[in-house]
Amino acid sequence: AQTVTQSQPEMSVQEAETVTLSCTYDTSESDYYLFWYKQPPSRQMILVIRQEAYKQQNATENRFSVNFQKAAKSFSLKISDSQLGDAAMYFCAYRSGQGAQKLVFGQGTRLTINP
Amino acid sequence: DVKVTQSSRYLVKRTGEKVFLECVQDMDHENMFWYRQDPGLGLRLIYFSYDVKMKEKGDIPEGYSVSREKKERFSLILESASTNQTSMYLCASSFNDRDSYQPQHFGDGTRLSIL
Repeated sequence: AQTVTQSQPEMSVQEAETVTLSCTYDTSESDYYLFWYKQPPSRQMILVIRQEAYKQQNATENRFSVNFQKAAKSFSLKISDSQLGDAAMYFCAYRSGQGAQKLVFGQGTRLTINP
Repeated sequence: DVKVTQSSRYLVKRTGEKVFLECVQDMDHENMFWYRQDPGLGLRLIYFSYDVKMKEKGDIPEGYSVSREKKERFSLILESASTNQTSMYLCASSFNDRDSYQPQHFGDGTRLSIL
């Protein structure tokens, strides 16, 4: 079975600075997706960024980028120019590229932005 | 815009009660999911369904059942509620992957307390 591990329960960063959230995963599959989701206090789960395992290029979405290290099974999220609205729980998630489309989530990292 | 609606934002029930959590999506999605969210554990999959009247166990199905009589509605049932089922419950839905990846869309969650 696949597992996802986020080893940082909490992180904090100064506004406008850069922060990196860590995620490792374990799988024997070669075809899969990796995601970062954001859950603000409103509880709405928001997809931040997606990475397909077959793509070597790291995904980017505006201020959000990932460092995808397939051999090391590592998938970190970098948030540049942090803003107060980035404060949230961040979840790393895995999905197989075949079969059922269920997500496997990590434990979550609570990110605090200090003004 | 995709809408996944969970019937209650907060719910308080007593031990031994039969509890129904309802989820409705308006996008004709084939797949629907129920996750449970607990601090330090992230989200864990309880059950999912890929078609009407079809269901599959997730990682933590014990103590739960589901019903999908109509495509747009997926109900989670706690047959005899217990205090260890106090949690946040999140519903999600998605299309089947066709030529490309299809994202999951989440509801706002139901915070369930069992007294």
